Amino acid sequence: DGGITQSPKYLFRKEGQNVTLSCEQNLNHDAMYWYRQDPGQGLRLIYYSQIVNDFQKGDIAEGYSVSREKKESFPLTVTSAQKNPTAFYLCASSRTGGGYNEQFFGPGTRLTVL
Amino acid sequence: RKEVEQDPGPFNVPEGATVAFNCTYSNSASQSFFWYRQDCRKEPKLLMSVYSSGNEDGRFTAQLNRASQYISLLIRDSKLSDSATYLCVVNKAAGNQGGKLIFGQGTELSVKP
Repeated sequence: DGGITQSPKYLFRKEGQNVTLSCEQNLNHDAMYWYRQDPGQGLRLIYYSQIVNDFQKGDIAEGYSVSREKKESFPLTVTSAQKNPTAFYLCASSRTGGGYNEQFFGPGTRLTVL
Repeated sequence: RKEVEQDPGPFNVPEGATVAFNCTYSNSASQSFFWYRQDCRKEPKLLMSVYSSGNEDGRFTAQLNRASQYISLLIRDSKLSDSATYLCVVNKAAGNQGGKLIFGQGTELSVKP
C-alpha cells in the first residue's frame, strides 16, 4: 500500500529533552512538509523540503530542525528550545511541478511535554 | 486579514439538509484550491480539488470565483458521516513557492439524526 507513515502515534517528553518524530512515504513524492496543529486551530507550517538534501523554514521553524537525506524520509526534531511543544504534528507529501499538487497526510504524532 | 478565512462554526444541521461553506483568500496569485476534511483527532484528508469551472463529486459541489477570491463547498443530502471539520486550503503563490499550502482554521459540521 502506498502512503505516509508517522511514528510514534503518541509521544511523551520531559521538559528539556529533544525528541525526533519519524515520517516516511512510499508515494515517490519529491516534496515533504511538517505541520503543527493546536486545539481549535488551523495547521501551521514548520519546515518543508522540495528535494533531497534541501529544506526551507516554514512559518514557525524556531525550536525545530529537520533533515532530508533520503527522498522517502523527513524526520523532525523538536528541540528543548521550542517553548510550547505540546501539539499534534502532521507530516505530508506531494508531487512538485505544475498543476495541482495535493498534499497527502500521515496519521500524525501527538506530542505531550510533561 | 488572514490569508484564508472560513465561516466560523459550528454548523449543526439535520440529516438530509443542504449546507454551504464559504471561504475567502487574500493572495490573488494563488492557483490551487482544495477542500480537506478532518475528523476529530485524525489527519486531514483531501475531499476535493477546486477548479475554475467548478466541480462536483456526488453530493459535494465546489465553486471558485477568482474575481472575488472566494471558494465554496456545498453538501447536499447531509449524512451523519459528513460530521467533521472542513478545511479550505489555498496554495501560497505560483512558482517555487507554489507547493506551500495555507490552511483555513476550519468549519465544524455536525449532522444530527
